[in-house]
Amino acid sequence: DTGVSQNPRHKITKRGQNVTFRCDPISEHNRLYWYRQTLGQGPEFLTYFQNEAQLEKSRLLSDRFSAERPKGSFSTLEIQRTEQGDSAMYLCASSLGSGVSNQPQHFGDGTRLSIL
Amino acid sequence: AQTVTQSQPEMSVQEAETVTLSCTYDTSESDYYLFWYKQPPSRQMILVIRQEAYKQQNATENRFSVNFQKAAKSFSLKISDSQLGDAAMYFCAYRRVDNAGNMLTFGGGTRLMVKP
Repeated sequence: DTGVSQNPRHKITKRGQNVTFRCDPISEHNRLYWYRQTLGQGPEFLTYFQNEAQLEKSRLLSDRFSAERPKGSFSTLEIQRTEQGDSAMYLCASSLGSGVSNQPQHFGDGTRLSIL
Repeated sequence: AQTVTQSQPEMSVQEAETVTLSCTYDTSESDYYLFWYKQPPSRQMILVIRQEAYKQQNATENRFSVNFQKAAKSFSLKISDSQLGDAAMYFCAYRRVDNAGNMLTFGGGTRLMVKP
């Protein structure tokens, strides 16, 4: 168990640029989640995959955000035309689950995005 | 929609003493899970303890225990014999028990400081 891995750890970019983050879940986990955490707040749910299918999307996920999980392994989160308000920590988590049964989620270290 | 409230932004405890962190939640569901997660500075979030709502017995994990009051929708975390390594942000979280509710809803967090 190597844990959930996220890259990069930090990303600094200018407003209007596109950014992409990657998450590698724990290998046997079929469920993958993206959360956003702003400074001093709790994480907020963005989206959820079961295998390669994106099953849930939060209203926070505007049309500038897109997430993929090809082949049900790693996932990418892309933000287009970044805005100041996108500055946050982006957390990825994974779990093993089937139907309503779900093991606890394991979190990665996160990617901290700073918009200049 | 479910909401989770942590009314204590910061708490302080003397090393070896006991501290209780508060959490209340709002839901119309009868079955759900509740969690406490710990997030040390610049480190990943880790699960401390979880409680299934259908279980009346309070969960315990070594020095960590919960006081789950379902009717009051209260879920507090007690840390006994506090250690310096317990210093962190603590987040209370809620999850429904159905296929559509795999995501976690977090509270705003409580920063715990441990004094030597």
